[in-house]
Amino acid sequence: AQSVTQLDSHVSVSEGTPVLLRCNYSSSYSPSLFWYVQHPNKGLQLLLKYTSAATLVKGINGFEAEFKKSETSFHLTKPSAHMSDAAEYFCVVSERSSASKIIFGSGTRLSIRP
Amino acid sequence: GAVVSQHPSWVICKSGTSVKIECRSLDFQATTMFWYRQFPKQSLMLMATSNEGSKATYEQGVEKDKFLINHASLTLSTLTVTSAHPEDSSFYICSAPKTSGRAGLANTGELFFGEGSRLTVL
Repeated sequence: AQSVTQLDSHVSVSEGTPVLLRCNYSSSYSPSLFWYVQHPNKGLQLLLKYTSAATLVKGINGFEAEFKKSETSFHLTKPSAHMSDAAEYFCVVSERSSASKIIFGSGTRLSIRP
Repeated sequence: GAVVSQHPSWVICKSGTSVKIECRSLDFQATTMFWYRQFPKQSLMLMATSNEGSKATYEQGVEKDKFLINHASLTLSTLTVTSAHPEDSSFYICSAPKTSGRAGLANTGELFFGEGSRLTVL
């Protein structure tokens, strides 16, 4: 069985400081992992994905995430937050053997202080 | 790149009327589409899986007769909220899976999302 846990429902950082959004997963099979961003009243946009290649994945807008199998984590980071990064972020896990099972995390709301 | 277009973005209707939401895949074919409902400050809740040419698969607790899904072509799925009531007010989002392989049959787990539809029932 798969599951995904986003450890923080809300994260607030100052503009220009690092961002860390935490995600832990559980999967019986080799997972594919994704981070999506959702701005208010919009659909979701893919930030980055891990599908068994390099464990450090770089995405759009300066975000990156590292797949750590030993810690079952896939935390999202960005060195320097920008005001436009304020949004809802979802960590998603999918079993590579059966991509019809796609599990969403509960989401983390990122706020950026000026 | 692949895009999913969802329409309308906003809809306001009177209680008891029906509302149709369209989800189109642009530049690619989608034999499967997913419909989600999202309450304020919550994650996406999968309502149903729309299958081209066959019946949709509904998640437990989702009323089939209330939320009618039709997937008549490889690029269009529709969700009709029948006899809408205020409790049906929500944000509805569709998505289509990114596929790979020669026949485009292998799901990758990645999803392309529509822009969402905000339904308000008065």
